[in-house]
Amino acid sequence: GDSVTQMEGPVTLSEEAFLTINCTYTATGYPSLFWYVQYPGEGLQLLLKATKADDKGSNKGFEATYRKETTSFHLEKGSVQVSDSAVYFCALSGPGGNNRLAFGKGNQVVVIP
Amino acid sequence: NAGVTQTPKFQVLKTGQSMTLQCAQDMNHNSMYWYRQDPGMGLRLIYYSASEGTTDKGEVPNGYNVSRLNKREFSLRLESAAPSQTSVYFCASSVDYTNTEAFFGQGTRLTVV
Repeated sequence: GDSVTQMEGPVTLSEEAFLTINCTYTATGYPSLFWYVQYPGEGLQLLLKATKADDKGSNKGFEATYRKETTSFHLEKGSVQVSDSAVYFCALSGPGGNNRLAFGKGNQVVVIP
Repeated sequence: NAGVTQTPKFQVLKTGQSMTLQCAQDMNHNSMYWYRQDPGMGLRLIYYSASEGTTDKGEVPNGYNVSRLNKREFSLRLESAAPSQTSVYFCASSVDYTNTEAFFGQGTRLTVV
């Protein structure tokens, strides 16, 4: 079935550093891809999305490009802030239009001042 | 500005007890979902309701039942709680099952002892 794989382990970095979180997927057809963010004690919020190959989703300085050839949707931000500390989830929604989001395991990001 | 509201926020149950988690959305969404979040596992879909009057199993439905009470409300019931059901539960909704952006509640932290 459809699945998402995120890089293992938490990510700790200093303020203003460059952030990359890797995400690869397995799916039949052409899914839509998402990044969700979960701040401490809160539910998930949609951060950005891309619905077709080569689309770039962007929001709040974060970007991710839908790469069909490498089945990837890596999240990047050029200069992180302490307020970006959160858990980030990559997700996909099947091409059949059924919104059964499949989530990766998530990455805890800690930004140190 | 409520969005998706879940109650309760915290609950401790003894093994074998029953309880119902409540979820309501005020966005006039057709589709609603219940997920559980466990450390290192991401989010896993328990049940979903594509539209009022329908419910379907997700990937981990055993030990749970749901009721789509009306368009706004979607409840999750644990008939006989087990320690393996200790988790954080999230309700979510979307415009319909072909619309891939889901809005999440703040979660219910359930502990079964």
